[in-house]
Amino acid sequence: DTAVSQTPKYLVTQMGNDKSIKCEQNLGHDTMYWYKQDSKKFLKIMFSYNNKELIINETVPNRFSPKSPDKAHLNLHINSLELGDSAVYFCASSFRTALNYGYTFGSGTRLTVV
Amino acid sequence: KNQVEQSPQSLIILEGKNCTLQCNYTVSPFSNLRWYKQDTGRGPVSLTIMTFSENTKSNGRYTATLDADTKQSSLHITASQLSDSASYICVVSARDAGGTSYGKLTFGQGTILTVHP
Repeated sequence: DTAVSQTPKYLVTQMGNDKSIKCEQNLGHDTMYWYKQDSKKFLKIMFSYNNKELIINETVPNRFSPKSPDKAHLNLHINSLELGDSAVYFCASSFRTALNYGYTFGSGTRLTVV
Repeated sequence: KNQVEQSPQSLIILEGKNCTLQCNYTVSPFSNLRWYKQDTGRGPVSLTIMTFSENTKSNGRYTATLDADTKQSSLHITASQLSDSASYICVVSARDAGGTSYGKLTFGQGTILTVHP
């Protein structure tokens, strides 16, 4: 199946731990994103990579570090997790220059920090 | 500040009925407007995308309209089905200095639609 796949789907961890979320797309897109959906359901962009190059880096604590080993993968590593990091994190991908094409989202990773 | 506001926050309708969801935005410079459907526990799925020059676009029972002058959009759902129960999110894309709009998305908080049998 062509898709954006994220793992894990659920992640429960204690404050202070370090965790990673993985994302892979097989759509041939050249740009990948990480979005955070908070309790109020707003989706906000965190990072965007184009061909392994960071192109968007919103105001996100530096405890969050994205890594793109190749254009089909964009992983998110979070250090020293805090309660406020609890949210659903969505990976997405698109073509950079396709202004009128949709983004394809993964199904999300629900992170709960206890 | 770029903002997207949707109304109503939630809506309950009976199966088979029509409904219209509203979206007002202040994103500038405007590139395009998208409507997404997000089922519980899933990622958003694109329904329609409209550019400045388009004022209506359909996708099956979903019809989106855009008035770029008043910065308003609506999503009309015809003959609703139980499977239409979801959150509908209006997303507006701004054009950056390079002329592209990737990633410059402003999301509304969504309208939660519940269709009852």
